Amino acid sequence: DVKVTQSSRYLVKRTGEKVFLECVQDMDHENMFWYRQDPGLGLRLIYFSYDVKMKEKGDIPEGYSVSREKKERFSLILESASTNQTSMYLCASSDTSGSWQETQYFGPGTRLLVL
Amino acid sequence: RKEVEQDPGPFNVPEGATVAFNCTYSNSASQSFFWYRQDCRKEPKLLMSVYSSGNEDGRFTAQLNRASQYISLLIRDSKLSDSATYLCVVIRTGNQFYFGTGTSLTVIP
Repeated sequence: DVKVTQSSRYLVKRTGEKVFLECVQDMDHENMFWYRQDPGLGLRLIYFSYDVKMKEKGDIPEGYSVSREKKERFSLILESASTNQTSMYLCASSDTSGSWQETQYFGPGTRLLVL
Repeated sequence: RKEVEQDPGPFNVPEGATVAFNCTYSNSASQSFFWYRQDCRKEPKLLMSVYSSGNEDGRFTAQLNRASQYISLLIRDSKLSDSATYLCVVIRTGNQFYFGTGTSLTVIP
């Protein structure tokens, strides 16, 4: 079974703090993704990575950065947290295996509250 | 126009009912299609893939209509445990995944 883990289930931070969200997958997947999910807006892609040290902006990258130093780990960084970044953050991974049609597997999510 | 659109519901149906959800997509170049299920405060999990020929998994049937650019999910004999949000997902080339906002289903005893 694919396993995607995220470092925290719940996190409370203050405005202006730097926040690190870690995601690890154990299936040697090439692709990893960070989403945020908000009521009525669904899942929105922040960043994705298709290889180590590679990253691509998603639909809403502003205020975020990412790091992928190892294949299994994809970190999301909020450089200076703001209240509008309060959300559920979901990490996902998928395999390429010669085809981009593989589906995504999600971690359990991190509920971030920025005060 | 959104890449993927779903009726958000909510759908409230009695146990044993048949319920169907549709999802439309805007880009005809879309290649792969999936339905995910998301329970309250949990992560989305793959429910089933959607193939052009249609596919069935127990009480669940998924269909794709490329001409009209929509996918559907049919749930027969609804169970209480089917209560969840159902997300449709459309994939285009280059790892471009597009999620619908989800359709909420509540099965009532």
